[in-house]
Amino acid sequence: SQQGEEDPQALSIQEGENATMNCSYKTSINNLQWYRQNSGRGLVHLILIRSNEREKHSGRLRVTLDTSKKSSSLLITASRAADTASYFCATDAGSSNTGKLIFGQGTTLQVKP
Amino acid sequence: GAVVSQHPSRVICKSGTSVKIECRSLDFQATTMFWYRQFPKQSLMLMATSNEGSKATYEQGVEKDKFLINHASLTLSTLTVTSAHPEDSSFYICSAHRGWSEAFFGQGTRLTVV
Repeated sequence: SQQGEEDPQALSIQEGENATMNCSYKTSINNLQWYRQNSGRGLVHLILIRSNEREKHSGRLRVTLDTSKKSSSLLITASRAADTASYFCATDAGSSNTGKLIFGQGTTLQVKP
Repeated sequence: GAVVSQHPSRVICKSGTSVKIECRSLDFQATTMFWYRQFPKQSLMLMATSNEGSKATYEQGVEKDKFLINHASLTLSTLTVTSAHPEDSSFYICSAHRGWSEAFFGQGTRLTVV
């Protein structure tokens, strides 16, 4: 069953602004991943953060993880129109480590040029 | 980087017929692949875990006789939607893992049952 909650569900910003998306989960995890999905397409892996990490950067992306609050955030800086997409967080199954991913509900981001 | 290829990308079928979707890992071997379903404007829901050389493991509420999974080789898993009905219309996505961290996803298959 889906365990992730994401907020906001939808976000609309101007090009150049920063976009922040939040994700909460319910069980213990080994890692948390963020994915991007353009409309009607597959998922593109953005970044993985392990449970013993608190922050990770990749280009214009910054991800934080707070395991005490069971939450993560994805920050996209200096957004571009091409960043328009849906963004999902996904967690593993924790100790079972089967490779399954449990997805959040997603945030739809619209970046206006 | 690793690539997972899914085919077909779109399929329209008549109600009552069966449709097969293929998922291939192109440059690595995957003993385990996963099948997800995504309804419009919703998130991905895990349907089943495809295990090479053994039976698939289905999530609760997913009918194994309706969604047949075969993982006959280390690079190919197939999902067959049997006796498809309009309510089976959805976006189906597979994934494969290289190791136990990053998952690589196929491009997805848009199934429309008419």
